[in-house]
Amino acid sequence: NAGVMQNPRHLVRRRGQEARLRCSPMKGHSHVYWYRQLPEEGLKFMVYLQKENIIDESGMPKERFSAEFPKEGPSILRIQQVVRGDSAAYFCASSPAPRSLLFFGSGTQLSVL
Amino acid sequence: KQEVTQIPAALSVPEGENLVLNCSFTDSAIYNLQWFRQDPGKGLTSLLLIQSSQREQTSGRLNASLDKSSGRSTLYIAASQPGDSATYLCAVYSGGGADGLTFGKGTHLIIQP
Repeated sequence: NAGVMQNPRHLVRRRGQEARLRCSPMKGHSHVYWYRQLPEEGLKFMVYLQKENIIDESGMPKERFSAEFPKEGPSILRIQQVVRGDSAAYFCASSPAPRSLLFFGSGTQLSVL
Repeated sequence: KQEVTQIPAALSVPEGENLVLNCSFTDSAIYNLQWFRQDPGKGLTSLLLIQSSQREQTSGRLNASLDKSSGRSTLYIAASQPGDSATYLCAVYSGGGADGLTFGKGTHLIIQP
């Protein structure tokens, strides 16, 4: 049973480009969470999704950021018109039920030049 | 707003020692508390989950306690080994339907061979 898969591991973008981060949850998990880890800061919750639904996006910036978890395929975190401040490690996690044990992916390190 | 603090920020001990990591949270109305470890450049690995109604959980050489009324948790590591070197993170699900974990900044642990 594969764990949570994130790709790419590293992503380099220039200012103004778009970044797409992908996450495939563990088999049987329908709850997906995205977290961001900025240098010298703790992990911050961004968004919680179930299949085809955004349940809680209270931690996600209102502009330029969006997330989806379609019926088929991985969850996508999309950042439009990236800025240097978006440089961070983005982690995806999944769970079999809300607020239960979380399983994390290895993260995507986004670097904005 | 829930805040999680971990003390100490860093700890270095000789192999074989027993040690305690501390976690405190400001709002005692939590749903559960989770401990993770994070290795450099990698994702988080779940260690223990304590429900709000529980006092402690054990897994191998790890024991986590929870005192919800005082807003504290401790992670006890027995007979430490060099492989235990990592950053240990404490996180809580707050009550009131909060969907994201609130994380502390972690304790960076080094076990000297």
